[in-house]
Amino acid sequence: QQQVKQSPQSLIVQKGGISIINCAYENTAFDYFPWYQQFPGKGPALLIAIRPDVSEKKEGRFTISFNKSAKQFSLHIMDSQPGDSATYFCAALTSSASKIIFGSGTRLSIRP
Amino acid sequence: KAGVTQTPRYLIKTRGQQVTLSCSPISGHRSVSWYQQTPGQGLQFLFEYFSETQRNKGNFPGRFSGRQFSNSRSEMNVSTLELGDSALYLCASSSLGGETQYFGPGTRLLVL
Repeated sequence: QQQVKQSPQSLIVQKGGISIINCAYENTAFDYFPWYQQFPGKGPALLIAIRPDVSEKKEGRFTISFNKSAKQFSLHIMDSQPGDSATYFCAALTSSASKIIFGSGTRLSIRP
Repeated sequence: KAGVTQTPRYLIKTRGQQVTLSCSPISGHRSVSWYQQTPGQGLQFLFEYFSETQRNKGNFPGRFSGRQFSNSRSEMNVSTLELGDSALYLCASSSLGGETQYFGPGTRLLVL
C-alpha cells in the first residue's frame, strides 16, 4: 500500500515533442505528490508538485495532471528539449510524515 | 544560500567494516532525511531526524543508524558492511520536516 508505481521505465522523445510519465498510488493518506528530476552524479531536484485537491498544475513546460478517483497522476513535458534528458521520479508522501515514497524512475532521452 | 552538502562524495570500504557519512543541511533547516539509491531497489527512505530526534524510520536493519547534532548536521553510520550496501546515499533537508525536501549530491559507497 506504500508503493508508487511508475511507467514507463525509459522513454525516448524527439526534440519538441511531448514527454508523458505516469504514476499510480494506493495509499489514500498521501496528500502531496512531487516530481523529482535527477541528472547523473547529482541528487534529485524538486521539479513540480501537486496536492490532491487540484486536478492540474502547470509550471512553464511542465504540467502535472492528477486524477484522485483513479489514484493516478502524470507528468507532461511540453516542447521537450535535449536538456530535459534525465531520470524522473514521481513520489508521494503524507505531509505530516515527511517520508517520501518514490516511484521506480523513468529515464528520459530527448533526441535532437 | 548554500545547498545541502555531503561528505565524503566517494568511499570504498570492505565487507565487515563500518562507515560514517556526513550531511550538512541548508542553513535554517531542522529536518534531515536519509535515502539509499540503488539500481535494483531505487530510492528508499532510511530515516529522518528533526531537532536531534529520530522522527521516522524506514525498513532497514539495525546496522543502519543515524544521529543529528544541535546545529542540525547529521551523520549516518552503517556497521558490518555488506556487498549489498553499495549505493548512493542521499541526504535531504527541509525547514519543518515536510514536503519540500532539498537533496544533496550524495555519497557513493562501494563495498568490496
